[in-house]
Amino acid sequence: NAGVTQTPKFRVLKTGQSMTLLCAQDMNHEYMYWYRQDPGMGLRLIHYSVGEGTTAKGEVPDGYNVSRLKKQNFLLGLESAAPSQTSVYFCASSYRTGGWELFFGEGSRLTVL
Amino acid sequence: DAKTTQPNSMESNEEEPVHLPCNHSTISGTDYIHWYRQLPSQGPEYVIHGLTSNVNNRMASLAIAEDRKSSTLILHRATLRDAAVYYCILISGGSNYKLTFGKGTLLTVNP
Repeated sequence: NAGVTQTPKFRVLKTGQSMTLLCAQDMNHEYMYWYRQDPGMGLRLIHYSVGEGTTAKGEVPDGYNVSRLKKQNFLLGLESAAPSQTSVYFCASSYRTGGWELFFGEGSRLTVL
Repeated sequence: DAKTTQPNSMESNEEEPVHLPCNHSTISGTDYIHWYRQLPSQGPEYVIHGLTSNVNNRMASLAIAEDRKSSTLILHRATLRDAAVYYCILISGGSNYKLTFGKGTLLTVNP
């Protein structure tokens, strides 16, 4: 049981390049989330999904797009990377909301030059 | 969204109990109180959660005020491995799925 797996774990991009972060969970969870964490800050929600084929905006969605074509995968895309998107990205999932715990991935460190 | 307030930092000695407070005065009836912790260079991990009653598990205890406007995470005997940032968050059992993490409490454990 792998839990929540994020790939890649590290990536360096140049300004204007595009990339996709993949989050995969093997727990049959309905809910999935993408967060970013900047130094000394808490986690800020980028986008989330409450089920296959659904996505919604979180607190800081600008510059990012997401897709949830399969229940187990949640993709985070950067179409034109900017230095302000240098951050550590965490994916999380949960079976339901409310009384169900969140499971987090180990994080993906992205640097945009 | 209901917000939580935590002290920025706390310090404890090894093998002593630690009480981490959290205020959530605007909590709604469907909000569950969750605690997570984040060790350096790792993703957050679940610690404990509750709705109205106090809860115990192998990691910690959660004490919830009768009016639910505050809660306390209790680590019964702190170890050096408990040094982390602890986040108190509210997760709605209703339709609000936007889970916001504040800056949390940085717990330092002294040997």
